[in-house]
Amino acid sequence: QQQVKQSPQSLIVQKGGIPIINCAYENTAFDYFPWYQQFPGKGPALLIAIRPDVSEKKEGRFTISFNKSAKQFSLHIMDSQPGDSATYFCAARRSGAGSYQLTFGKGTKLSVIP
Amino acid sequence: ETGVTQTPRHLVMGMTNKKSLKCEQHLGHNAMYWYKQSAKKPLELMFVYSLEERVENNSVPSRFSPECPNSSHLFLHLHTLQPEDSALYLCASSQEIVGGYEQYFGPGTRLTVT
Repeated sequence: QQQVKQSPQSLIVQKGGIPIINCAYENTAFDYFPWYQQFPGKGPALLIAIRPDVSEKKEGRFTISFNKSAKQFSLHIMDSQPGDSATYFCAARRSGAGSYQLTFGKGTKLSVIP
Repeated sequence: ETGVTQTPRHLVMGMTNKKSLKCEQHLGHNAMYWYKQSAKKPLELMFVYSLEERVENNSVPSRFSPECPNSSHLFLHLHTLQPEDSALYLCASSQEIVGGYEQYFGPGTRLTVT
């Protein structure tokens, strides 16, 4: 049973556009929601993360929006650049015992065309 | 070397071969992980080691055998694999397994089973 559903599977935007990637979760025990960025030939790297006590978090051009009641969160990339072309994974984690256990979405391959 | 390194980066093996994947972390961490990354599937946690003791197995087939001789090195021994085991195998490390410390990923070993 997939616990974090991510969409779309792939996304193509033009430079300067605002790609949006959505994730939905089922387990209400999750309390930490990171996004990872993975370039070809590299491992995933933490990009930005949010906790459910806030509805939005911005770091540079990357913004996470969080809707606790809907159990959904999304990643927005402002003024997207070709260098943002990568695969993005959302994830979720609970605190306490087993807090190392990350539940990942299937990933979204983003292509930003010049 | 910095971060998390993995060797080899690419491996092709027959179903009757025995091979090993190696991971080394240069971050002074106490926990190490093996993940399997397959196309169009979420990252799957295979094994977790904390201070050289295995914490979690996640019911991985016995044809995968991990070894953690010290906190800086992690191996994944492979034998009699199946074609469906072809995937990117990622190693990660974190400071501890409790407390929600960030996991740092290596670049992965691309495994092809013929």
